[in-house]
Amino acid sequence: EVELVESGGGVVQSGGSLRLSCAGSGFTLGSYSFSWVRQAPGEGLEWISYIPSGSDEIFYADSVQGRFTISRDTADNSVYLQMNTLRVDDTATYYCTRGTVVHDATGQYLITDLAAFDLWGQGSLVTVSS
Amino acid sequence: DIQMTQSPTSVSASVGDRVTITCRASQGIGTWLAWYQQRPGKAPKLLIYAASTLQSGVSSRFSGSGSGTDFTLTISSLQPEDFATYYCQQANNFPITFGPGTKVDIK
Repeated sequence: EVELVESGGGVVQSGGSLRLSCAGSGFTLGSYSFSWVRQAPGEGLEWISYIPSGSDEIFYADSVQGRFTISRDTADNSVYLQMNTLRVDDTATYYCTRGTVVHDATGQYLITDLAAFDLWGQGSLVTVSS
Repeated sequence: DIQMTQSPTSVSASVGDRVTITCRASQGIGTWLAWYQQRPGKAPKLLIYAASTLQSGVSSRFSGSGSGTDFTLTISSLQPEDFATYYCQQANNFPITFGPGTKVDIK
């Protein structure tokens, strides 16, 4: 079965750190980009970080820039999110997501590795207390 | 950053109804627009990407259209399992941004 499974969530005090893991199965992780998307309780979806297959051009939302670090390990078939200096407003369910790949009509050339998020993990709840 | 807006915020509908949700981007995004369905307590599910491409395994009663700044998601005949919140998302550039969501509930 093709799936993503997150782990590492929990309760942490403001200023603390947490590391989320995302294990992929049923597909070759190295062929895809990955992002983390979060959802605060009762709120909408917020993209927070992206890592391409080659880990060469990483992006972060302003809200987490300088505090969060995304990484991947092909050998482990996993993606990670290191979260430092956590704040109360980081409280959310964090989803690991896979990027949708689109090729040109010939199938030869990659147009984008992030047309959408086509595979989502079950979510990992992070609660930051004051 | 590209701001995404959706209308309506919520819609009450009956099984069998045709439902249309609109999404607008603050600047042109070509056709790099995706739609998601989220049921309570569940992860979002991709329905449509590239504005009109149906994700594999998704019912053909869902369709998407639009380009530039204005996009539409249509559910041709609402089914009980379609009562959920729907989000649009632009994939044209970073930061990736989502619309605020449209809740479809039972009339």
